[in-house]
Amino acid sequence: DAKTTQPNSMESNEEEPVHLPCNHSTISGTDYIHWYRQLPSQGPEYVIHGLTSNVNNRMASLAIAEDRKSSTLILHRATLRDAAVYYCILSSDGVDSNYQLIWGAGTKLIIKP
Amino acid sequence: GAVVSQHPSRVICKSGTSVKIECRSLDFQATTMFWYRQFPKQSLMLMATSNEGSKATYEQGVEKDKFLINHASLTLSTLTVTSAHPEDSSFYICSASPTSGRKGETQYFGPGTRLLVL
Repeated sequence: DAKTTQPNSMESNEEEPVHLPCNHSTISGTDYIHWYRQLPSQGPEYVIHGLTSNVNNRMASLAIAEDRKSSTLILHRATLRDAAVYYCILSSDGVDSNYQLIWGAGTKLIIKP
Repeated sequence: GAVVSQHPSRVICKSGTSVKIECRSLDFQATTMFWYRQFPKQSLMLMATSNEGSKATYEQGVEKDKFLINHASLTLSTLTVTSAHPEDSSFYICSASPTSGRKGETQYFGPGTRLLVL
């Protein structure tokens, strides 16, 4: 299974941009890169996903390296509500053609007022 | 859109009893649903994948006779923890995919169910 590596934690100031890195050197050609975030005692929330090209949505931007071995989630202007554990996940082939999200440890993002 | 609910949000039960957790997709049809378990300060661990109308596929190490999964309709999947024991205490989370679970599809997660077995 393709795995991801993320820093255990990161700190950022409120209203500043945040760049969350993720390494996935064993990614296969058909694996998508997904980002989810999770607040304590809540289910994960979808943030963004992509395959090869950079992606933007209302929550964040996803920058994918040309060789696809790493990616960066960008929060353009962090707020206190963005404090969460951010998971960078690859979708891998599961049994019976269903895909699986392989979850790593994630990065705990701390936002300082 | 794409809201997934779980019920109950938390449950406390005695050792040896069975507990049923419901997962519903409220505004879309979920061809595929996933069940995860999360222990404190750990990441999510996939337990099983279920497709509507067929048997669930369990991950290695997950006892299918202990964790019964039923995906009887396109909006409802249930997880029953049979003969629960204290080591089954955990945070159970379901997710749903509106299509057949292809790689690029988003999974939408429920809010989770906290199970405490005394």
